[in-house]
Amino acid sequence: NAGVTQTPKFQVLKTGQSMTLQCAQDMNHEYMSWYRQDPGMGLRLIHYSVGAGITDQGEVPNGYNVSRSTTEDFPLRLLSAAPSQTSVYFCASIRGSEAFFGQGTRLTVV
Amino acid sequence: AQSVTQPDIHITVSEGASLELRCNYSYGATPYLFWYVQSPGQGLQLLLKYFSGDTLVQGIKGFEAEFKRSQSSFNLRKPSVHWSDAAEYFCAVGNNDMRFGAGTRLTVKP
Repeated sequence: NAGVTQTPKFQVLKTGQSMTLQCAQDMNHEYMSWYRQDPGMGLRLIHYSVGAGITDQGEVPNGYNVSRSTTEDFPLRLLSAAPSQTSVYFCASIRGSEAFFGQGTRLTVV
Repeated sequence: AQSVTQPDIHITVSEGASLELRCNYSYGATPYLFWYVQSPGQGLQLLLKYFSGDTLVQGIKGFEAEFKRSQSSFNLRKPSVHWSDAAEYFCAVGNNDMRFGAGTRLTVKP
């Protein structure tokens, strides 16, 4: 099993551009989450999903959209990228409250 | 709202010395508590978790943690640190909407 797969690994965007960070899991977990990691701030929850068709906001949802049309996929959309969204993004798939993380996407917005 | 505080941003210990990383949490119900480790450029790996029962939990790589409800703490310990333990450590609380502390960076001196 691949576990949790995030693409791309690295991305540079210009301010105002939009893009989608992909996350896919092959463990059939219902719960998935997106986090951003910034120096000195740990991981902050952006959005999470408790199953296909159900999503909710976390601590820092502004500027991000999510959808969950299938159990496997949980994409994160940046609507209009801003330099404040420069960060490392982690997707997690959760079973029994244990989180399994992808390898991360390093996003730079210039 | 649930939250996690890791009071120590950076800790340096000598190889072979004992280690204790502090974690305090705020949670409305009986918490699910976790410690994760992150090596540079990597995703997060689960060290151990507490759901219920015995308040002293054992994890991988020789780590253990003790849940103290009266102090709202879940401190991570290791009796003898190895150079390979140098990494960043995150305490987390919650369930599907897991919240993380800001992290403690561990440096190991030879």
